[in-house]
Order: sequence, then structure tokens, then C-alpha cells
Amino acid sequence: EDKVVQSPLSLVVHEGDTVTLNCSYEVTNFRSLLWYKQEKKAPTFLFMLTSSGIEKKSGRLSSILDKKELFSILNITATQTGDSAVYLCAGGGATNKLIFGTGTLLAVQP
Amino acid sequence: NAGVTQTPKFQVLKTGQSMTLQCAQDMNHEYMSWYRQDPGMGLRLIHYSVGAGITDQGEVPNGYNVSRSTTEDFPLRLLSAAPSQTSVYFCASSYSNRQNGYTFGSGTRLTVV
Repeated sequence: EDKVVQSPLSLVVHEGDTVTLNCSYEVTNFRSLLWYKQEKKAPTFLFMLTSSGIEKKSGRLSSILDKKELFSILNITATQTGDSAVYLCAGGGATNKLIFGTGTLLAVQP
Repeated sequence: NAGVTQTPKFQVLKTGQSMTLQCAQDMNHEYMSWYRQDPGMGLRLIHYSVGAGITDQGEVPNGYNVSRSTTEDFPLRLLSAAPSQTSVYFCASSYSNRQNGYTFGSGTRLTVV
């Protein structure tokens, strides 16, 4: 059975800290690993990773995939209160369907 | 572009009633899917479609039906609502190559009493 596991479940940091969120996956015919940010409503797309060892960056956020060890990390540097959200990781197989983890709840305190 | 549009945003049903949650996208995406989100459970896939006329089951399909008669629309039908179906429902769509990720609708909060 396909599964995606995220850790930690929740995290509280102060503004300016750097955080690392973890995602491990077991997905049949794995094709891609996606990260989303969810605040009050619908998840918003952050990154899609398909190649091992290639870092994707967007401002203070970055992510990398290790296809040998079946995990990905999402880094956020110089955190801000606006980064407070649930971060979701999802694995995609050959059929396009995504399997999501339960998410990491990040709270950034001023 | 409207993106992915879900209606209604909120709904209260009595046990045993049926209803249809609507999802429409205007991005010409091949792939569409329905998820439910419950506290502590993350997003769980109900049904998905890789193109018009093609649907398949996800992780939690029981109690739900879907159809995909056009590329744009992917309605989710609750046949006989149960309290266990109280949840927030999200529709999502993407191109078949997933290159820009999946776009989610704003969600439908359903309560079954």
C-alpha cells in the first residue's frame, strides 16, 4: 500500500529560525514528490521534484529529493509569521494520483 | 481564469440524503480528482479521472460516485449521506505531466447530521 509519512507532526519556532520538514514515501511506480502549503483554505503548490539530488528554490524555501532513500526535505530559512501553515507532502505514481501525508503544522512566533 | 471552482462552499445534509458536489475547471486539465480532509488524517483520495470518460477509485471510494462526461466537469455524488462523511472536500486538477502541480478548488465543508 502506498504511503507518505511526514515529520514532525508539529513545530513551533521563532521568527528568523531555520526549519527542516521531512517527508518519506513509498509510492508504486514513483514519478514525483510535491510540496504544498495550506493556510485557512485550499493547499497551494510549492514545488514538484522528480530528479534526485537537484534542489528547487523559491525565495526562502527550498526542497530536495533523495530517490535512493525515498525521502524529501523542505527547508525554510529566516522564517516569518506568514510562514505559519500546514505543509503537505504528496507522492505521485504513474497514474497521476497523489498520496498525501498528514502534514506538518508549523507555527512561527514573533 | 477561474481555475478550479467548487460549489457549494457549505452544506448540511441529513443522514440518508443524497447530493452532488460540483467541480469545474477551465484550464483544459486532463486529470481531476476528489479528496476529503479530516483532522489528523491529511488529504485522502476518493476518486480520480485521467480524462473524459475515464474514472478510477482512490483510497476511500465507498459511498461516493463520480463521472467525467466532459473535460471541464467532475461531479462527486454522495448516494446516501452518513455522519462519517462529514468532512471538507477538495477537488483538484492538473495537466497529465503534473508540471505545474495540482490546482485545488476552495473546498466544500459538508456536515451530515
